[in-house]
Amino acid sequence: GAGVSQSPRYKVAKRGQDVALRCDPISGHVSLFWYQQALGQGPEFLTYFQNEAQLDKSGLPSDRFFAERPEGSVSTLKIQRTQQEDSAVYLCATSQQGITGELFFGEGSRLTVL
Amino acid sequence: GESVGLHLPTLSVQEGDNSIINCAYSNSASDYFIWYKQESGKGPQFIIDIRSNMDKRQGQRVTVLLNKTVKHLSLQIAATQPGDSAVYFCAEKNTGGFKTIFGAGTRLFVKA
Repeated sequence: GAGVSQSPRYKVAKRGQDVALRCDPISGHVSLFWYQQALGQGPEFLTYFQNEAQLDKSGLPSDRFFAERPEGSVSTLKIQRTQQEDSAVYLCATSQQGITGELFFGEGSRLTVL
Repeated sequence: GESVGLHLPTLSVQEGDNSIINCAYSNSASDYFIWYKQESGKGPQFIIDIRSNMDKRQGQRVTVLLNKTVKHLSLQIAATQPGDSAVYFCAEKNTGGFKTIFGAGTRLFVKA
């Protein structure tokens, strides 16, 4: 596609529910990132994939967070047993292989946990 | 630890004036700096970048200045327009790595 596509755009979950957020990257972009953005804050790094390999998951807040990119294209961020503090916008970004690595962001998935 | 911060959380300017948004960074190992613009309900959008071997870089209506001595970065927007109203983030990266670290952001208001 022309840009990074994320779905759903909005998700309301009851505390304790599991959620799955999807990211469709720009075709050919090797690198894929997930960021978490709380209200009024800058994006915080969660995890990074190069093709299908998850090279860094140091930003995932807890073991309730899990990300995958099995075929090196579409990625899914899964949050188990959601908590209120998980409420945020989850941004997916992709980039071409290269030295600078300009990030192309999707519009994000806004998660609200009640 | 690594951090990228901003001096002002909000900035209000008159349409047509120039805007200056400032940013401080603390990681001396960072050698690549980027400004992103985020409009309401959208993801951040790349504006301009600069490598640490440069002091200044100009784009269309935007200029980024880098002062490595005091670890300071600024974004200048010429003839600010209502469409420039957004939150602006500075970000840093080590070109040997992959992680881009964002600051907290400055909200720019443009008054007509």
